[in-house]
Amino acid sequence: EPEVTQTPSHQVTQMGQEVILRCVPISNHLYFYWYRQILGQKVEFLVSFYNNEISEKSEIFDDQFSVERPDGSNFTLKIRSTKLEDSAMYFCASSRTSGTRPRDEQYFGPGTRLTVT
Amino acid sequence: QQQVKQSPQSLIVQKGGISIINCAYENTAFDYFPWYQQFPGKGPALLIAIRPDVSEKKEGRFTISFNKSAKQFSLHIMDSQPGDSATYFCAASGWGFKTIFGAGTRLFVKA
Repeated sequence: EPEVTQTPSHQVTQMGQEVILRCVPISNHLYFYWYRQILGQKVEFLVSFYNNEISEKSEIFDDQFSVERPDGSNFTLKIRSTKLEDSAMYFCASSRTSGTRPRDEQYFGPGTRLTVT
Repeated sequence: QQQVKQSPQSLIVQKGGISIINCAYENTAFDYFPWYQQFPGKGPALLIAIRPDVSEKKEGRFTISFNKSAKQFSLHIMDSQPGDSATYFCAASGWGFKTIFGAGTRLFVKA
């Protein structure tokens, strides 16, 4: 069964450093998402992406964050200058489309644990 | 208006019992209500979902009950098993609205 994959599984970085989290969505999906989950807390929406542009973003997704689909398979989240409070699990998700609207069913990857020291 | 309130925070159920988790939403524009199951160290996995045009949906041991007028929906796990022990999140979304997750319920099923 196709699945969303994410690399690395765990990333440790120092405060102020840039990190790039990578995701390979399911191959026939066209809507992509990033979420984060601070340890023990709820899953929070960061951004959705379709047709090479951001379709929606949350207030968490500030200028320190960016997303990119650098090729036909990868979807990345970049944090330019990490802060201690960026430490969390970051989940990528993808969904198919129905016309230009995303299908509601989202499939999540296993996550990348980001630790900022 | 964008919140989804979930209760209880944690739940302990005997094997074979019924687990019930409740959620309430505020935004009447939401039109899709999924439940996700998350095991430690894993991503959320879609378990079952409902749209507001039906009041109940059942898939195996899992049932969603939906009350549109009260803006509430709940997950019932029948014949709960130790393998069901996980964190369960309700969520709500709609066209043009980001997916909002509830705070999660940690379910422990005692053998």
